Parts: sequence; C-alpha cells; structure tokens
Amino acid sequence: AQKVTQAQTEISVVEKEDVTLDCVYETRDTTYYLFWYKQPPSGELVFLIRRNSFDEQNEISGRYSWNFQKSTSSFNFTITASQVVDSAVYFCAFTTGANSKLTFGKGITLSVRP
Amino acid sequence: GAGVSQTPSNKVTEKGKYVELRCDPISGHTALYWYRQSLGQGPEFLIYFQGTGAADDSGLPNDRFFAVRPEGSVSTLKIQRTERGDSAVYLCASSLSPFVAEAFFGQGTRLTVV
Repeated sequence: AQKVTQAQTEISVVEKEDVTLDCVYETRDTTYYLFWYKQPPSGELVFLIRRNSFDEQNEISGRYSWNFQKSTSSFNFTITASQVVDSAVYFCAFTTGANSKLTFGKGITLSVRP
Repeated sequence: GAGVSQTPSNKVTEKGKYVELRCDPISGHTALYWYRQSLGQGPEFLIYFQGTGAADDSGLPNDRFFAVRPEGSVSTLKIQRTERGDSAVYLCASSLSPFVAEAFFGQGTRLTVV
C-alpha cells in the first residue's frame, strides 16, 4: 500500500525566510508520480508540480524548488524568500499512475508573518 | 467554465436526510474524481469516473454513498441517510486524461450534518 508522510504539521516563519516542507513516501511500485498542491484559505487545491519516479532532477520554478531523492523516498519542497501570500496548507500526494487516484499526506500549515 | 465548479458551496442538512452534491468539470476533461477532506486531514479518494462509468469506487465508505456521471460531464455525489460523521468538505477534480495529467480541483462543498 502507498503512504505519504508529512511529519511537519505547522510551520511559522517570518517573511523573506527560506522554508522547506518535507514529504516522505512509501511504495513498492517502480513507476509512480509525486505531486505538491497548495490549499489557500479559499479551499481550492492548486497544483504546483508533478514528478515521475524516473526523473530525479531537481526542479526550480521562481521561488519554489523541489528535491526528489529516491534513495530516501523523499520529495521535499523549498520556498525561498517566503512571502505572506505563501501562507496556506501544502499537501504532498502520490499515485502509481494507473488512474491518477491520489494519496495525500495530512498537509503542512505554513504561516508566513510580515 | 474556466475551472471545476461545485455546487452548493455549503450545505447544512439534518441527520438522516438525503443530499446531492454537484460537480461540473472542466470542459473536455474525461476523468473526474471525488475526494472527501475532513478537518485537519488531507483529501481522501472516494470515486473515479472515466467518461460515464465509475472506473474505481473503492473509496466510497459504505452503500449510503453513490455517484453518477450519466453524460460523461457533470457528476452528482449522492449521500443517503446522512450521519454526523459525513460532515466534511467534498472535493471534485477533473483531468484531461486518466494517465497522470494533473488534476484540477474545485473549491469544494462543505457539508455539515446536524
């Protein structure tokens, strides 16, 4: 069975600090996909990134970067120079890809203070 | 519409009543998913449609829950004899294909059973 663990529950930082959100997954499948979603107070889940198990290249998109390491089954998310608008709940999710059914972690509540 | 639309946004019902929650996916998206999100938790998969058929309903908690998508577009999640434990945010998502295209989520229906 697949499992996604987000050990951090709440993180509070001051604006402009860097912050890393951890995600650890468990699976016996060799083909799988990992995601990060952002859930602002409005409630809608916003897609941030998808990575497949065959691509371990790190990715950077503006202030966001992702570090995928199969050796430690981790897919961590770093926000550089955080802003108040980054305040939200962030979910890591996993699928084997058979039908895109996502298994989510419990989420990390990020609060960025001015 | 431009995004996934869910109605109503909020629903309060009495224990034992029947409710219907509606999801209008992004036009052209063949895959549609229902998830349930309890307070402080990540979304949990309920059911997945590919076209008109339910390809995977393994997440439905019991036979009080049922969903349809008769014309391959709009979907309705139906809950009979509601219980207080059914209170949650019900999220709908759609994707262009079932093969791990990113899923786009609606803002959810907050169901409260009193």
